[in-house]
Amino acid sequence: SQQGEEDPQALSIQEGENATMNCSYKTSINNLQWYRQNSGRGLVHLILIRSNEREKHSGRLRVTLDTSKKSSSLLITASRAADTASYFCATVSGGYNKLIFGAGTRLAVHP
Amino acid sequence: EPEVTQTPSHQVTQMGQEVILRCVPISNHLYFYWYRQILGQKVEFLVSFYNNEISEKSEIFDDQFSVERPDGSNFTLKIRSTKLEDSAMYFCASSQNWRGLAGSNEQFFGPGTRLTVL
Repeated sequence: SQQGEEDPQALSIQEGENATMNCSYKTSINNLQWYRQNSGRGLVHLILIRSNEREKHSGRLRVTLDTSKKSSSLLITASRAADTASYFCATVSGGYNKLIFGAGTRLAVHP
Repeated sequence: EPEVTQTPSHQVTQMGQEVILRCVPISNHLYFYWYRQILGQKVEFLVSFYNNEISEKSEIFDDQFSVERPDGSNFTLKIRSTKLEDSAMYFCASSQNWRGLAGSNEQFFGPGTRLTVL
């Protein structure tokens, strides 16, 4: 089964606007993590939210988790051109900490 | 800031050849992982490694794949006989601990090795 499906697939906004990306998953999880990937580069960890947490903040990032709906959202406030990247959610469910990634949201922030 | 490093950044090989992708995890990390990302697709888990043995592996990680920690710093992924469909970006990651232990099980990723099989 697929896990960690993001929507939208692509998002285009202007600098200063907020960007919201959503992620849904199918099985119960230990935690959910968000990663950023600049074009052709490695994955950068942004934030981790545990299954018993509902909301977490880190700088301009706000993540929510609704385990009853099996969904999470990532909000980037006051976006900048440098935020242009692909954003992936990844879930950890049992096992040995393997990450199951979604297909990602491509965010373009225009100056 | 400590980081995971990978070499080479790009490897081109002929089908049927063996390749070894190298990674140097963060020094105090105990858990190591390989993932791959075929162009335009999701990042997929390949294998996790702890205490000198495989903890978990995916269906992708068949007999053609092997991992090794030959010394105290390197972590390698070997593909014995490459196929065209092995062309992908391969990411190494490491984490300090595993779920249930104090602290984060955040995985730190390397920049990746782009493998091209011709």
